[in-house]
Amino acid sequence: GQNIDQPTEMTATEGAIVQINCTYQTSGFNGLFWYQQHAGEAPTFLSYNVLDGLEEKGRFSSFLSRSKGYSYLLLKELQMKDSASYLCAQNRDDKIIFGKGTRLHILP
Amino acid sequence: DTGVSQDPRHKITKRGQNVTFRCDPISEHNRLYWYRQTLGQGPEFLTYFQNEAQLEKSRLLSDRFSAERPKGSFSTLEIQRTEQGDSAMYLCASSPRAQSSYNEQFFGPGTRLTVL
Repeated sequence: GQNIDQPTEMTATEGAIVQINCTYQTSGFNGLFWYQQHAGEAPTFLSYNVLDGLEEKGRFSSFLSRSKGYSYLLLKELQMKDSASYLCAQNRDDKIIFGKGTRLHILP
Repeated sequence: DTGVSQDPRHKITKRGQNVTFRCDPISEHNRLYWYRQTLGQGPEFLTYFQNEAQLEKSRLLSDRFSAERPKGSFSTLEIQRTEQGDSAMYLCASSPRAQSSYNEQFFGPGTRLTVL
């Protein structure tokens, strides 16, 4: 979607760490969201970054670099239930613009 | 339950028919958004309201689509003369803040439309 780029798919092992990268268009930027979406369900909010740096929330952390138009979502101690799509989304001009999502597969 | 609700959850229709979906946002949320999502894609912005005013409509939205939020509470999305390409999940989201740099949106469960 609209100049938000993230990998299509990733695979990781249960208990491991995975980093999902996202690049976005810097113009009109107000903030960067990460959402989790399980198959057939609505997206659920994970994190929101407005300022540069790392924000940690339990097993999930999100990083933002505004000058580079770059963010990542870090998932630690992966569990099978973390198998889902992870959507990077930009708060741009009062709208949220979503990327296509990264499908994360967790192997036992 | 005080989350965003959508009705119906599933709709199967024949090409050429009209369909209408309803969204009830979290009470007192003044912003309401409609998105469309197809398989393997992220949600695609369609339109949004602040109270009863429709502030923006995507250029991708054809004139067969119309949305209303007459009293600033629930909203309806109507698709006229449906086409097979309209088959998708239609998501509604609401947001509590009128003007803020923080614009977290709370999503409803979606309405899955299948056009035969």
